[in-house]
Amino acid sequence: DIQMTQSPASLSASLEEIVTITCQASQDIGNYLSWYQQKPGKSPQLLIHSATSLADGVPSRFSGSRSGTQYSLKINRLQVEDTGIYYCLQHYSAPWTFGGGTKLELK
Amino acid sequence: EVQLVESGGGLVQPGRSLKLSCVASGFTFSNYGMNWIRQAPGKGLEWVAYISSGSSYIYYAETVKGRFTISRDNAKNTLYLQMTSLRSEDTALYYCARKGGITHYFDYWGQGVMVTVSS
Repeated sequence: DIQMTQSPASLSASLEEIVTITCQASQDIGNYLSWYQQKPGKSPQLLIHSATSLADGVPSRFSGSRSGTQYSLKINRLQVEDTGIYYCLQHYSAPWTFGGGTKLELK
Repeated sequence: EVQLVESGGGLVQPGRSLKLSCVASGFTFSNYGMNWIRQAPGKGLEWVAYISSGSSYIYYAETVKGRFTISRDNAKNTLYLQMTSLRSEDTALYYCARKGGITHYFDYWGQGVMVTVSS
């Protein structure tokens, strides 16, 4: 199985700050990486798929990038509504595996 | 508007069975692969099972293989998860989620249904 190592596990940032979350894949997964945001008591929502493609309706302050087998989610100018838990998912091959999550809070 | 509504959860004893349903609306259900994903209380996400649009391809996580069965009824726009030989570690919020596009990300999720396995 492909392992996804996500970091950091938790993060505290200020309003308007730039935030970066990373996921390291245990093998080559190409661009088959997606990012999800989960707010308390809610189901996860797709932010980015195929490493860099923004999902419909997602604000442009969210962006994704790839460097080899390391993937990053960047949030420009952090807003209050961006708090929550973020997960990466490799959608290269079954079993599809998630990273452990990053809890993002406001400082 | 795409909607996925799960039902069928509850409290069940270890070793017993339970069947979850997910009713889809707002899109052509028969054109999309579907998944079950679960989240244990306070934990992360775990993909559980996948079924292709025409039921030709089915995959399971090793943790549920041989105990859970995913199926669908395209005429009823409904996805199912039959769970047998339930264990305490199956306690989780179960989400159905649509396979988005050609590759296997999850573009729409239901609100989830809770399954608690306890004596």
